[in-house]
Amino acid sequence: KAGVTQTPRYLIKTRGQQVTLSCSPISGHRSVSWYQQTPGQGLQFLFEYFSETQRNKGNFPGRFSGRQFSNSRSEMNVSTLELGDSALYLCASRRALDTGELFFGEGSRLTVL
Amino acid sequence: QKEVEQDPGPLSVPEGAIVSLNCTYSNSAFQYFMWYRQYSRKGPELLMYTYSSGNKEDGRFTAQVDKSSKYISLFIRDSQPSDSATYLCARTGGSYIPTFGRGTSLIVHP
Repeated sequence: KAGVTQTPRYLIKTRGQQVTLSCSPISGHRSVSWYQQTPGQGLQFLFEYFSETQRNKGNFPGRFSGRQFSNSRSEMNVSTLELGDSALYLCASRRALDTGELFFGEGSRLTVL
Repeated sequence: QKEVEQDPGPLSVPEGAIVSLNCTYSNSAFQYFMWYRQYSRKGPELLMYTYSSGNKEDGRFTAQVDKSSKYISLFIRDSQPSDSATYLCARTGGSYIPTFGRGTSLIVHP
């Protein structure tokens, strides 16, 4: 069974630009969550989508947005990039909403210059 | 104060040592507790998952939860160099969305 796939793995952007990251969950998983990981703050929850609807949202500004498609694939977008957005962005899927067991992808490492 | 506090380490131990990793949490709402392991340049993977106070064992790994003191521990027996990774503790609330600690970096040297 294929795992969670994230693309691209690495990217470099400049301040003010926008970026879109993609995530394909494990087959059959309808929930997709996004996390930001930095050395200072650790893993912080961005948002979760289930059946194309955002179900939960973390404490991030509106520049961070996401969506989910009918095939459960998800994208997240960050607009007007800031230096502090440099991080590893992790996508995770889970088989149901009543479990905390997340299956993570390898992440997309974003560097903002 | 973060909901889940964890010493970032690094913790360096010799091969074969017993490792103790610890977390404290502040929210007493309904919850599960988990330990995830993250190797360098990889995403976290679930190691242990428990709800109740007490111990849960899986091979060389034992997760311990003390709800009265809001303390979570992970013990690794006979540690191996392949155990070198960052260990993240986490708790969930009613939404089952995990809240993670910052992670403890473990180095097991031969």
